[in-house]
Amino acid sequence: QLQLQESGPGLVNPSETLSLSCSVSGGSISSSRSYWGWIRQPPGKGLEWVGIFYFGGTTYYNPSLKGRLTLTVDTSKNLLSLKLRSVTAADTSMYFCMRGSHDNGDYGPSDLWGQGALVTVSS
Amino acid sequence: DIVMTQSPDSLAVSLGERATINCKSSQSVLYSSNNKNYLAWYQQKPGQPPKLLIYWASTRESGVPDRFSGSGSGTDFTLTISSLQAEDVALYYCHQYYNLPRTFGQGTRVEIK
Repeated sequence: QLQLQESGPGLVNPSETLSLSCSVSGGSISSSRSYWGWIRQPPGKGLEWVGIFYFGGTTYYNPSLKGRLTLTVDTSKNLLSLKLRSVTAADTSMYFCMRGSHDNGDYGPSDLWGQGALVTVSS
Repeated sequence: DIVMTQSPDSLAVSLGERATINCKSSQSVLYSSNNKNYLAWYQQKPGQPPKLLIYWASTRESGVPDRFSGSGSGTDFTLTISSLQAEDVALYYCHQYYNLPRTFGQGTRVEIK
């Protein structure tokens, strides 16, 4: 059964880089039937879509993150990674990694989520 | 960006009664070439990640009780819980995956009256 598990530091200083990993187990991150990504949720608030990593290596980032974001995949480790630079308190959130379905060029919604990693930006 | 607006923000329903949540998108999420609405509904309970309930506007995810149903097309959608159970107390979000960036509604809190 496919499972996702986020990991990373819970506290990051303002202006520094937030780095998170998502370990995928029970399936291959290289599967053509999946895409991967991140969604975040500030404490007590709603969901914000962060970015997507498509099979074949294409990425798409939420423009609201203004070029601060990089998503990568390490297929040898079955690992999805997120780096968000120049963080501020506004980046304090629960960060969820997620998987979505891909079928012949048609991309479905996120259908599997990790438990989330809470990251606080504070000095 | 497509703006998703849910109504109401919260509702309280008696056990066994019907709960209805509406979602309106700022532009159509119906893809004409395949006649699919790129609209999903999620349920989120405290301390948990969102759980997919409905996709393609009306297709129930495997394992989701049949008291949950989705309807609508184009820009107007509805999630209905036909007979509210105690375990349905949660936040509910609509979500468009028609284009990028993907966006969510603000959420609707469902409580027991």
